[in-house]
Amino acid sequence: GDSVTQMEGPVTLSEEAFLTINCTYTATGYPSLFWYVQYPGEGLQLLLKATKADDKGSNKGFEATYRKETTSFHLEKGSVQVSDSAVYFCALSGAAGNKLTFGGGTRVLVKP
Amino acid sequence: SAVISQKPSRDICQRGTSLTIQCQVDSQVTMMFWYRQQPGQSLTLIATANQGSEATYESGFVIDKFPISRPNLTFSTLTVSNMSPEDSSIYLCSVEGHLNTEAFFGQGTRLTVV
Repeated sequence: GDSVTQMEGPVTLSEEAFLTINCTYTATGYPSLFWYVQYPGEGLQLLLKATKADDKGSNKGFEATYRKETTSFHLEKGSVQVSDSAVYFCALSGAAGNKLTFGGGTRVLVKP
Repeated sequence: SAVISQKPSRDICQRGTSLTIQCQVDSQVTMMFWYRQQPGQSLTLIATANQGSEATYESGFVIDKFPISRPNLTFSTLTVSNMSPEDSSIYLCSVEGHLNTEAFFGQGTRLTVV
């Protein structure tokens, strides 16, 4: 079945540092790929998405490129802020509609 | 995007009791999904709820424990029955987005069973 693997956290960074969270997937066919963010005490928010190979999703300074050849969708941000402290989830949506398969989540802590 | 309201936002319940969680969407959607997020864990799909038919449950989840209603295209409920401390989790409602290319989530219901 479908699966998503992302790097374990916590990831602790200083403000303005570069952030990368690795995400790889296994799926049949051509899934859509997503990054969701969960701020403390809140539900999940869609951060960005990509629906086909080589698409780049971007939002709020975050970027991720759908790499079919390496089955990856790594999340990057060039200069993080304290407000980026959250848990980030990589997810995919396969053939069965919008049933999402999530990675384990990566907690990011940005220190001033 | 869809606006999803979940009630209650949190609750503390006695073991052996049941809790019904409501999910209201501001637009009609075909598919609604219920997820569980155990403490410090990722999200696991419980079931998919379609209007007019019985919910489809994922492996490890059964209707007797998690009965679901879907009376119309904007509303669904999830009941956590005969609760035990192991049911302490965040329960999230989700709906498909426009063009079926994304999913939106409610704020979640944080359940603690004592």
